Amino acid sequence: ETGVTQTPRHLVMGMTNKKSLKCEQHLGHNAMYWYKQSAKKPLELMFVYNFKEQTENNSVPSRFSPECPNSSHLFLHLHTLQPEDSALYLCASSSTVMLTGELFFGEGSRLTVL
Amino acid sequence: GQQVMQIPQYQHVQEGEDFTTYCNSSTTLSNIQWYKQRPGGHPVFLIQLVKSGEVKKQKRLTFQFGEAKKNSSLHITATQTTDVGTYFCAGPGTSYGKLTFGQGTILTVHP
Repeated sequence: ETGVTQTPRHLVMGMTNKKSLKCEQHLGHNAMYWYKQSAKKPLELMFVYNFKEQTENNSVPSRFSPECPNSSHLFLHLHTLQPEDSALYLCASSSTVMLTGELFFGEGSRLTVL
Repeated sequence: GQQVMQIPQYQHVQEGEDFTTYCNSSTTLSNIQWYKQRPGGHPVFLIQLVKSGEVKKQKRLTFQFGEAKKNSSLHITATQTTDVGTYFCAGPGTSYGKLTFGQGTILTVHP
């Protein structure tokens, strides 16, 4: 039990589908993040939310659309994805977005785009 | 932009041997964090170093932060099969919440 729960754990979708990834944290944190982890690449930060407000969009294509309705929930809406978007998508949370914050990761959603 | 490099990319050791991974940043860091990701798992926070020249130990793991705060290392003494995984270092980026990860060192331990 990590305190950060992601669903679904595995997702296969076609390039024309629309799907969403969900993340929920039970740690009382104020900051939530989406990271992308591809094979042989470093973890890539996608989005940062602090108190529900987006504070960072790391030049992510518009086919990825985040949503943060409250400090405990984070979504990543996916549409018209490309095969190269296949990766492990990790949600994380921290107490604040201050630079010294430890990140707590969820177990990830493994996405395959056909 | 800021870059965080880790070497080696892969390390294969026999159980009982020591292991070291090195992390180098292109910029001075206010702190550095280390994470471990088991195969099929997710990154788990190990430690954070803040002070120049800081050394911290967790059982068989020794973490160091360089005097110039641009490099760090993780040393594991007498590796065990439970040490298998990918070890990442991460340093704060140029804006709040932006943590830059190294590409990781994948450790394999042969029994």
